Amino acid sequence: ELKVEQNPLFLSMQEGKNYTIYCNYSTTSDRLYWYRQDPGKSLESLFVLLSNGAVKQEGRLMASLDTKARLSTLHITAAVHDLSATYFCAADSGTYKYIFGTGTRLKVLA
Amino acid sequence: DTGVSQDPRHKITKRGQNVTFRCDPISEHNRLYWYRQTLGQGPEFLTYFQNEAQLEKSRLLSDRFSAERPKGSFSTLEIQRTEQGDSAMYLCASSLGFSEQYFGPGTRLTVT
Repeated sequence: ELKVEQNPLFLSMQEGKNYTIYCNYSTTSDRLYWYRQDPGKSLESLFVLLSNGAVKQEGRLMASLDTKARLSTLHITAAVHDLSATYFCAADSGTYKYIFGTGTRLKVLA
Repeated sequence: DTGVSQDPRHKITKRGQNVTFRCDPISEHNRLYWYRQTLGQGPEFLTYFQNEAQLEKSRLLSDRFSAERPKGSFSTLEIQRTEQGDSAMYLCASSLGFSEQYFGPGTRLTVT
């Protein structure tokens, strides 16, 4: 059974600093998704990673996928307050349902 | 393409009442999914439709829950005899085949 773990669960960082969120999954998965969720809101799609070695960047966020290590990372560069949110990764086992991690609650301090 | 829509956005109900939620997927999408998200957790899969056929139900979906997609377009999720533990955000998503799932705004249920 596919399981997805994220760490850290909570992250408090200063503006301007860099940090990485890690997403590990337990069985083979060729597709990995990153979402952002603001309090009380739905999921906003950030990145879709479809193959080993995939790297995507949007603004201050960069995501990568290593299917051999069963690891995806979300790197934050020079954090700003607007990035404060909860970030989820989700793995697709090749069937039809996404398995989500527990989320990383990010707070960027001014 | 107006995205996935859900109605209502918020529902407050008393324990023991029945509630029904509606999801309208992106028009050409043949697959529709329901997830439940409780506070502080990631979304959990509940059930999935391909066209009008319900192909799997999670063990999270007790007998009090029923979902339909009668004409392969919109879907409804009904909860009978609601319990406080049913309080959650109910998310609907749709996809075209095995492509990326697009999530709706969610229905937040509060059972008092």
